[in-house]
Amino acid sequence: EPEVTQTPSHQVTQMGQEVILRCVPISNHLYFYWYRQILGQKVEFLVSFYNNEISEKSEIFDDQFSVERPDGSNFTLKIRSTKLEDSAMYFCASSLDRGPQETQYFGPGTRLLVL
Amino acid sequence: AQSVTQPDIHITVSEGASLELRCNYSYGATPYLFWYVQSPGQGLQLLLKYFSGDTLVQGIKGFEAEFKRSQSSFNLRKPSVHWSDAAEYFCAVAGASGGGADGLTFGKGTHLIIQP
Repeated sequence: EPEVTQTPSHQVTQMGQEVILRCVPISNHLYFYWYRQILGQKVEFLVSFYNNEISEKSEIFDDQFSVERPDGSNFTLKIRSTKLEDSAMYFCASSLDRGPQETQYFGPGTRLLVL
Repeated sequence: AQSVTQPDIHITVSEGASLELRCNYSYGATPYLFWYVQSPGQGLQLLLKYFSGDTLVQGIKGFEAEFKRSQSSFNLRKPSVHWSDAAEYFCAVAGASGGGADGLTFGKGTHLIIQP
């Protein structure tokens, strides 16, 4: 069964450093998403992406964040200058189409720790 | 703004016993509701979803959920749990996350512990 994959599974970085989290969505899916879950808190929507541009973004997704689909398979989340509060589990997801009825398939997550 | 509440942070159930995980939502229109499960080291896996029609929906792994509009609830049930059901369970609603339409709004999750 096709699945969303994410690398790395864990990342430790120093405050102020740039990090890139990588995701490979399901191959025939057209919409891609990033979510994060700070320890002990809810899973929160960050951004959705379609046709090589951001479809929607939440208040959390500020100028420190960017997303890109650098090739036909990868989907990345970049944090330019990490802060302590960026420590969280980051989930990538993809769906075949857009809309609330569409199932979003999630990857296993990348746990980011900012020191 | 829409929201999802899962009142139980942890639930402990004996293997073979029945299970009900609670979920309450706040959403103005007809909600699109989901239950996801996350096993350790795994991604979020969809158990079931509700859009319209029959208010009792069947999912994978023997789970079902009932949509009750009058109670704004979408509780997850299983008649007999197995040790492999130990996981984190998330209720979610789609439609208007942070002002947009793409993102899911999740509850905080319920951690299910299975006693032998």
